[in-house]
Amino acid sequence: KQEVTQIPAALSVPEGENLVLNCSFTDSAIYNLQWFRQDPGKGLTSLLLIQSSQREQTSGRLNASLDKSSGRSTLYIAASQPGDSATYLCAAGGGSEKLVFGKGTKLTVNP
Amino acid sequence: EAEVAQSPRYKITEKSQAVAFWCDPISGHATLYWYRQILGQGPELLVQFQDESVVDDSQLPKDRFSAERLKGVDSTLKIQPAELGDSAMYLCASSLVGEGGETQYFGPGTRLLVL
Repeated sequence: KQEVTQIPAALSVPEGENLVLNCSFTDSAIYNLQWFRQDPGKGLTSLLLIQSSQREQTSGRLNASLDKSSGRSTLYIAASQPGDSATYLCAAGGGSEKLVFGKGTKLTVNP
Repeated sequence: EAEVAQSPRYKITEKSQAVAFWCDPISGHATLYWYRQILGQGPELLVQFQDESVVDDSQLPKDRFSAERLKGVDSTLKIQPAELGDSAMYLCASSLVGEGGETQYFGPGTRLLVL
C-alpha cells in the first residue's frame, strides 16, 4: 500500500528566500508524481506533473525533481513571494493505481 | 479557461439526513474523480469514473454513499444517512486520460458539516 509523507508539515520563511519542500513515497512503482497547491477552503491547483521516466519538471519559479529509486521528490520554489503562501501537496501513483496524497506542507511567506 | 464546477459550495445538515453533491467536469474529460478531504489531511479517492463506468470505488462506503454518472458527463455523489464523521470537503476532479496519466483538474469543493 502506497504511503506518502511530506516534511515539514509547516514552514515559515521571509519573502525572497529560496525553499525546498520534501515528499517521500514507499512504493517506487509509480506512473507519475504530481505537486498541487491548495489555498484555504479551496480546491487543488495542479503545479507540476513528473512522469516516472522523467527526473524533473520546471514551471516559472518552481522546479520539481523525482528520484524513484529513493522514493523521493522535492519542490523547489525560487525567490518566494507572499502570494506563494498556501498548502502544497504531493501525490504519487497513476497507471492502474490511484493517486495517493500526502498531508501537505503549509507554507507561509512573510513580507 | 474551462473549470470543474461543483455545487453546492457549502452544506450544513443534521445526522441521518440525506445530502447530494453535483459535479460538472471540464468538457471532453472522460475521467471523473470524487475525493474526500478531512481537515489537515490529503484528499482520499472515493470513486473514479471512466465515462459512465465505475473504475474504482474500493474506498466508497457503499452502505451509505452512492455515486452516478449516468450520461458520462456530470456526476452526483449522495450520502444517506449522513453521519457526524462525514464532515469534510468533497472534491471533484476530471482528467482527459485515466490511470493518472494526465493532470487532474479540481473543482472548488463542497464543504459538508454534519450536526
